[in-house]
Amino acid sequence: TQLLEQSPQFLSIQEGENLTVYCNSSSVFSSLQWYRQEPGEGPVLLVTVVTGGEVKKLKRLTFQFGDARKDSSLHITAAQPGDTGLYLCAGIIQGAQKLVFGQGTRLTINP
Amino acid sequence: DAGVIQSPRHEVTEMGQEVTLRCKPISGHDYLFWYRQTMMRGLELLIYFNNNVPIDDSGMPEDRFSAKMPNASFSTLKIQPSEPRDSAVYFCASSSKYGLKNEQYFGPGTRLTVT
Repeated sequence: TQLLEQSPQFLSIQEGENLTVYCNSSSVFSSLQWYRQEPGEGPVLLVTVVTGGEVKKLKRLTFQFGDARKDSSLHITAAQPGDTGLYLCAGIIQGAQKLVFGQGTRLTINP
Repeated sequence: DAGVIQSPRHEVTEMGQEVTLRCKPISGHDYLFWYRQTMMRGLELLIYFNNNVPIDDSGMPEDRFSAKMPNASFSTLKIQPSEPRDSAVYFCASSSKYGLKNEQYFGPGTRLTVT
């Protein structure tokens, strides 16, 4: 059973389109992170969100932490081929110490 | 900064052999994590250390797996004996903070194939 459920698991869209990836749980998180992983490499941290309702922007990427700190979303505007990769959400469950990862969303942006 | 360094990058071995994976964390980071990634199970935490001391090894699959951190700049993950189901990519990550942020920096991984 995954503590963090990501959806969709696979997404293939055309360059220039917008997309949203979701990360959901029944657990409350102290903080939540998004990583991007490219083939043959380790995950790279994109952002950390800590406060319920928090929104962070990283160029064309917008990250939101749910008000109840149980879910998060990643929105990409005008996707580019360079956005292709595996996107992982990861969170610290409130009261615990471990970082738990979702199973990832594999995103492909076609030119 | 060189980032987290892992060696070897690829390892192919026969079932029953001992495998040792190595990791050098980012200098100054006092937390070190070992993960395993497979298509079926995703990224799983195996064990983590704080100041060279193992804190939580509940993710270690079984007694065939062991991890050590003899000093702040080096850690090993050993599998003895190895089995085909151990085939995966093993990542080492390090962090300088824990608690709310716990922002981890990953190495490039070691792709292990056990035949």
